[in-house]
Amino acid sequence: QQQVKQSPQSLIVQKGGISIINCAYENTAFDYFPWYQQFPGKGPALLIAIRPDVSEKKEGRFTISFNKSAKQFSLHIMDSQPGDSATYFCAARQDSGYSTLTFGKGTMLLVSP
Amino acid sequence: KAGVTQTPRYLIKTRGQQVTLSCSPISGHRSVSWYQQTPGQGLQFLFEYFSETQRNKGNFPGRFSGRQFSNSRSEMNVSTLELGDSALYLCASSLGPAEGEQFFGPGTRLTVL
Repeated sequence: QQQVKQSPQSLIVQKGGISIINCAYENTAFDYFPWYQQFPGKGPALLIAIRPDVSEKKEGRFTISFNKSAKQFSLHIMDSQPGDSATYFCAARQDSGYSTLTFGKGTMLLVSP
Repeated sequence: KAGVTQTPRYLIKTRGQQVTLSCSPISGHRSVSWYQQTPGQGLQFLFEYFSETQRNKGNFPGRFSGRQFSNSRSEMNVSTLELGDSALYLCASSLGPAEGEQFFGPGTRLTVL
């Protein structure tokens, strides 16, 4: 049972364009939604995170949009750069007092020069 | 501040052997979680430790075990290795259970021949 569904699997965007990655969840007990960026040979690095009490959070070129009623959230990368080429994972954590993260399957982003 | 460190970075073992992986969390972080990353299954939760106690466990066979020491460092052990255990094993630390962000180490790449 995949609790966090992520799409697309892969994405090619031109330099300067907007990259959009979507995630949907089923478990209404999730209360914390981080996005991670992973480069080959490295561990995932936290990019930005949101809680359900806000609909949008922006940090630099990265924005999370959150739709609680639809149980969906998305990552927007504005002015995408070749250095953004990486695999992106959405994740979710329950309000159960555990640190356990449930991850989406990941999106490989390629930003062409 | 030093990040999460994992040793060794690479391991090659043969079927039937056992392996121990080590993780040192960020200074001041007391919660450590382990994840297995494979191309097919993505990032899957193994277990979470806090105050030397396993607080949560993922859906993995008993061959996978772990422990945490009083200085918050953690080890995980896999016994009777199978080919399917080949993966990147990632350790993540946070201040406490469900407290603050989780930061990942670079992982240990385990190859089982």
